[in-house]
Amino acid sequence: GAGVSQSPSNKVTEKGKDVELRCDPISGHTALYWYRQSLGQGLEFLIYFQGNSAPDKSGLPSDRFSAERTGGSVSTLTIQRTQQEDSAVYLCASSLARTSGSTDTQYFGPGTRLTVL
Amino acid sequence: AQKVTQAQTEISVVEKEDVTLDCVYETRDTTYYLFWYKQPPSGELVFLIRRNSFDEQNEISGRYSWNFQKSTSSFNFTITASQVVDSAVYFCALRDQAGTALIFGKGTTLSVSS
Repeated sequence: GAGVSQSPSNKVTEKGKDVELRCDPISGHTALYWYRQSLGQGLEFLIYFQGNSAPDKSGLPSDRFSAERTGGSVSTLTIQRTQQEDSAVYLCASSLARTSGSTDTQYFGPGTRLTVL
Repeated sequence: AQKVTQAQTEISVVEKEDVTLDCVYETRDTTYYLFWYKQPPSGELVFLIRRNSFDEQNEISGRYSWNFQKSTSSFNFTITASQVVDSAVYFCALRDQAGTALIFGKGTTLSVSS
């Protein structure tokens, strides 16, 4: 079956511009996560969606970052007024649920490499 | 606070050597979950294994084996008879019962030469 897909695979933007990154989770997965991978900080959690519940935004680094998930499926991560320190690979993951048992195993997409000039 | 430490930043071995990747974790929870992921040069994180804190049985899958020891808070990963295709960055991760996110270690870069 299809895995997690993300688009675009690469994005180059100028400082100050807004960008939108898209994630399509595995069909049937109710939980969706965004992470950021950068050389200096490693893999960092950004935001989590579970069904229709309010998202866990505890990992968002600033109010320039936001995300939404429409219809419990596709998610968009938006970064406003991009800065050079936003350059990183943004990874999306999904899982069947966030409970005990193997349903919480997160499966990752290929990522979007964002470069802010 | 939760933390995952992978003390080995880089490891280089020659094909057919065995190699062990170390992972030490910290958590106050009695129920938690441990994971290993592989990130090959293509960049995608590939799930390898999930282990519950209450299941200390070691696991073997082909050339891969995992040693979980709660007494030392370690979840080490061994590749037997390594191959060039094993070259990748390997991440150990932790999630506690209440948490949502995975807490990742910094990763260990494994290079296997022929």
